[in-house]
Amino acid sequence: DAGVIQSPRHEVTEMGQEVTLRCKPISGHNSLFWYRQTMMRGLELLIYFNNNVPIDDSGMPEDRFSAKMPNASFSTLKIQPSEPRDSAVYFCASSSGTGGETQYFGPGTRLLVL
Amino acid sequence: AQKITQTQPGMFVQEKEAVTLDCTYDTSDPSYGLFWYKQPSSGEMIFLIYQGSYDQQNATEGRYSLNFQKARKSANLVISASQLGDSAMYFCAMILIYNQGGKLIFGQGTELSVKP
Repeated sequence: DAGVIQSPRHEVTEMGQEVTLRCKPISGHNSLFWYRQTMMRGLELLIYFNNNVPIDDSGMPEDRFSAKMPNASFSTLKIQPSEPRDSAVYFCASSSGTGGETQYFGPGTRLLVL
Repeated sequence: AQKITQTQPGMFVQEKEAVTLDCTYDTSDPSYGLFWYKQPSSGEMIFLIYQGSYDQQNATEGRYSLNFQKARKSANLVISASQLGDSAMYFCAMILIYNQGGKLIFGQGTELSVKP
């Protein structure tokens, strides 16, 4: 079975540009999570969805970040405008619920904002 | 507040020996789960093992076992018969099952190096 799919795997952009990260969760999973990993802050949850509905977006840094899940098999995380401090690895994960079920991670998108 | 602490930034182990990676957690919630993930240099996060707070027995998955000591709030990962491919970052994480929904709280990680 296919795992969580993320694209692009690497993204280099200039400050001020819009960045869109994409995620396809594991088929049948109804919960989707976006995490960010940096050296300074480690791994932190940005937002998660259950049945395509955003449940907790308290981790989203600021209004420049937005996430959508238009259907059960696709989610996007958008940064507009991007800033150098947004440089990080962004992971998408999915699980079969939000009651402690195991979260399976995608390969991540390594974002560099110049 | 909930917190995961991994006090070993780096560890070395000889190939074929066992190694224990430490993890302590802090929560007043009685219902939680504890996870270990492996992150090799290629960057992906690989799920290794899970322990629920009400599980009576320590979890095991192949060469991985979780030494769960509830009173001490520790959930150490034991890797038996280390292999060169075990060299990676290892993250301990906690989830509160009924509060905070699906949010995983991660420790800072331990970098394990296996020597041939």
